[in-house]
Amino acid sequence: DQQVKQNSPSLSVQEGRISILNCDYTNSMFDYFLWYKKYPAEGPTFLISISSIKDKNEDGRFTVFLNKSAKHLSLHIVPSQPGDSAVYFCAASDAQGGSEKLVFGKGTKLTVNP
Amino acid sequence: DTGVSQDPRHKITKRGQNVTFRCDPISEHNRLYWYRQTLGQGPEFLTYFQNEAQLEKSRLLSDRFSAERPKGSFSTLEIQRTEQGDSAMYLCASSLWDRDYNEQFFGPGTRLTVL
Repeated sequence: DQQVKQNSPSLSVQEGRISILNCDYTNSMFDYFLWYKKYPAEGPTFLISISSIKDKNEDGRFTVFLNKSAKHLSLHIVPSQPGDSAVYFCAASDAQGGSEKLVFGKGTKLTVNP
Repeated sequence: DTGVSQDPRHKITKRGQNVTFRCDPISEHNRLYWYRQTLGQGPEFLTYFQNEAQLEKSRLLSDRFSAERPKGSFSTLEIQRTEQGDSAMYLCASSLWDRDYNEQFFGPGTRLTVL
């Protein structure tokens, strides 16, 4: 059973526009959520996180929104740049439950066209 | 470079051979994690350590897999009697556990190919 789902395998946007990447989860015990970016042949790079006590966290061009009732989070990138082209992974953990393991989605490949 | 490092970056081996990978975490980080990633999937958790203690192991970690972190610094992951299904990217991550929510920072990974 896939507890973290990224239903869009790919997304293409124009440079300067907004990129919105979505993630759904099924485990109500998850209380910490992270987004990672991955380039080919490299490890995932941490982007931004949010705990379940918040519904929004912002860092520069990146904003993560959390809707606990819908078990849904999204990553907004504004404005999108060609260097943002990568695979984006959503991850979740039951941090307060003492488990540090991250459960990842399958990723969404973002392409930002110049 | 003060990030997480992994060695080797690539390993090709024949089925049945043993392989060992090394991970050096960010120096002040007390937690170290191993994940495995196959094509088209996100990373899957294998195990993690706090200092030298192994605190959690996934069901994915069969008895052919063993991980150690003997002095609470670097870690090794050994796979005995490798099988073709072990071919994957093995990722190491580390974090500083000092509050409720801690980001994990990943290394570049070791790509294993079992022929």
